Amino acid sequence: DTEVTQTPKHLVMGMTNKKSLKCEQHMGHRAMYWYKQKAKKPPELMFVYSYEKLSINESVPSRFSPECPNSSLLNLHLHALQPEDSALYLCASSLEFTGGPNEQYFGPGTRLTVT
Amino acid sequence: DAKTTQPPSMDCAEGRAANLPCNHSTISGNEYVYWYRQIHSQGPQYIIHGLKNNETNEMASLIITEDRKSSTLILPHATLRDTAVYYCIVRNYGQNFVFGPGTRLSVLP
Repeated sequence: DTEVTQTPKHLVMGMTNKKSLKCEQHMGHRAMYWYKQKAKKPPELMFVYSYEKLSINESVPSRFSPECPNSSLLNLHLHALQPEDSALYLCASSLEFTGGPNEQYFGPGTRLTVT
Repeated sequence: DAKTTQPPSMDCAEGRAANLPCNHSTISGNEYVYWYRQIHSQGPQYIIHGLKNNETNEMASLIITEDRKSSTLILPHATLRDTAVYYCIVRNYGQNFVFGPGTRLSVLP
């Protein structure tokens, strides 16, 4: 099973709303990632969690708040977003972050629209 | 910045082999070559990776030149469902995956 699931598939939110994106994997992976992908652009890394601890934050604005409650779950909490934050948000996981080739497996993404 | 260079687009006839090139002339000894693809509006899909030797799996073959400065992903019998953006990524352990613009492959009937 190489499946990463993400919910919701689509999300429309206003600039004053608070919402959360959820990601789940049951492959025993210990590294999880959030990427952002704007239309017709490649994915860009936002955050890396390794063994449930935040390892990398790619200078992401604080209106995006990641959380890793356990090794299978990754959340992205959203607050006071701007219309330019509208994008496809992708979650990925890998066996580990360091120590091997560690190919990443991606979920289908959440398409976010900020109005 | 991405460490690879790929043609922006390619066409391939259905049923023929699709050969997607990637240039990574600054690759270092410990860096792996990975290939992913992204079908429209879906998450990227892992295809294959390699270090020095050629690799093959059920999806594709990866041919890496002896000097490791370039590689080719081969889809042996392309189908319409292989139409996607293909990303070639060079990465060492513990480094981020940095996606470049990729190659948009169109498989034509």
